[in-house]
Amino acid sequence: GAVVSQHPSWVICKSGTSVKIECRSLDFQATTMFWYRQFPKQSLMLMATSNEGSKATYEQGVEKDKFLINHASLTLSTLTVTSAHPEDSSFYICSWYMTRDEQYFGPGTRLTVT
Amino acid sequence: SQKIEQNSEALNIQEGKTATLTCNYTNYSPAYLQWYRQDPGRGPVFLLLIRENEKEKRKERLKVTFDTTLKQSLFHITASQPADSATYLCALANFNKFYFGSGTKLNVKP
Repeated sequence: GAVVSQHPSWVICKSGTSVKIECRSLDFQATTMFWYRQFPKQSLMLMATSNEGSKATYEQGVEKDKFLINHASLTLSTLTVTSAHPEDSSFYICSWYMTRDEQYFGPGTRLTVT
Repeated sequence: SQKIEQNSEALNIQEGKTATLTCNYTNYSPAYLQWYRQDPGRGPVFLLLIRENEKEKRKERLKVTFDTTLKQSLFHITASQPADSATYLCALANFNKFYFGSGTKLNVKP
């Protein structure tokens, strides 16, 4: 149980284009979810917290107009990287939060912007 | 802002030995601390949680200690196995917000 999927698992896009990353919980539902970004050999950096039906709360330094979050339901959230640039290349990971003991992560999406 | 430090150098140990990983933090008073395992190209997997009022927590071959005075947590894997080789992350949390360390890579050699 507690399976989270992310799609795509990796994507290469050209600078200036937009990319949408989908995160689904397959066998459970949760109200709150998180989007993280991880650069090589660095920690997961929290980008935003999202509650279903509400606007996402972004961490300081994360541009909400660049990283659009749509939390469509208790099992689906999307992150759209708009007008991507090479510095946006990273590993994007979503997680669904149920309790302090239960935070389930997706397998991640590797984004490369050329 | 809060700072979470984990040894960036890989820890290499022999199979059967105990691996000890360290997580130090500053400028933060977490309500609880978690440890995760992350394999290359994958998302983290939750291992253990310890609350601020707990000194030690065990789960099978895993043991976590939490010293809020030293602002440090130690993560032990006893009788380590090659399958334990991975990167281990600590995460500090208050309410439902999590801040992660950069992780320590553990290599268990047969």
